[in-house]
Amino acid sequence: DIVMTQSPDSLAVSLGERATINCKSSQSLLYRSNNKNYLAWYQQKPGQPPKLLVYWASTRESGVPDRFTGSGSGTDFTLTISSLQAEDVAVYYCQQYSNTPPWTFGQGTKVEIK
Amino acid sequence: EVQLVESGGVVVRPGGSLRLSCAASGFTFDDYNMHWVRQVPGKRLEWVSLITWSGGGTYYADSVKGRFTISRDNSKNSLYLQMNSLRPDDSALYYCARGGTELALDYWGQGTLVTVSS
Repeated sequence: DIVMTQSPDSLAVSLGERATINCKSSQSLLYRSNNKNYLAWYQQKPGQPPKLLVYWASTRESGVPDRFTGSGSGTDFTLTISSLQAEDVAVYYCQQYSNTPPWTFGQGTKVEIK
Repeated sequence: EVQLVESGGVVVRPGGSLRLSCAASGFTFDDYNMHWVRQVPGKRLEWVSLITWSGGGTYYADSVKGRFTISRDNSKNSLYLQMNSLRPDDSALYYCARGGTELALDYWGQGTLVTVSS
């Protein structure tokens, strides 16, 4: 199974500042045949289900603010929130859908306001 | 508007059985694969099972294989999870989620809580 490891486990960022979340997979998520990375990012606010933010590592889901940016390839990925807003307080998860089953998630990164 | 509404979560004794349901609306249900994902509150998400759009393919996490059965009724726009031989470590919030056309899980229900305890 592919293991997904996120860092840090939590971070506190001032409003308007940048937040960066890292995700590392134990195997490459890049398919050479279509040059796509099979990685998604989700946001989970307290008491709510996860919400899809980014798929194919860097494609923003419809309606997601452009302050959220996914990047990376192969085994190393990043979700960047360019200017943190109060409504961005949440736990963020990366997930691979490359070598399935199983679909596997990172342990989550909690983002708070400093 | 896509909606997924889970039901069936209760308190059950170890060794017991339970069937979860997920009612889907707002999209053509039989066009999509469907997943069950669970989460112990405050812990990471754990994928449980997938059923393909036709019901012809089913997949399970090793932790539930042989005990859980996923199924769907496309005529009723409904997804199910039959859970047998339940253990305390099956206690979690169970979400149904749609497998999007881009393969990520693009819509999630609010979840239904399963507690396995004597």
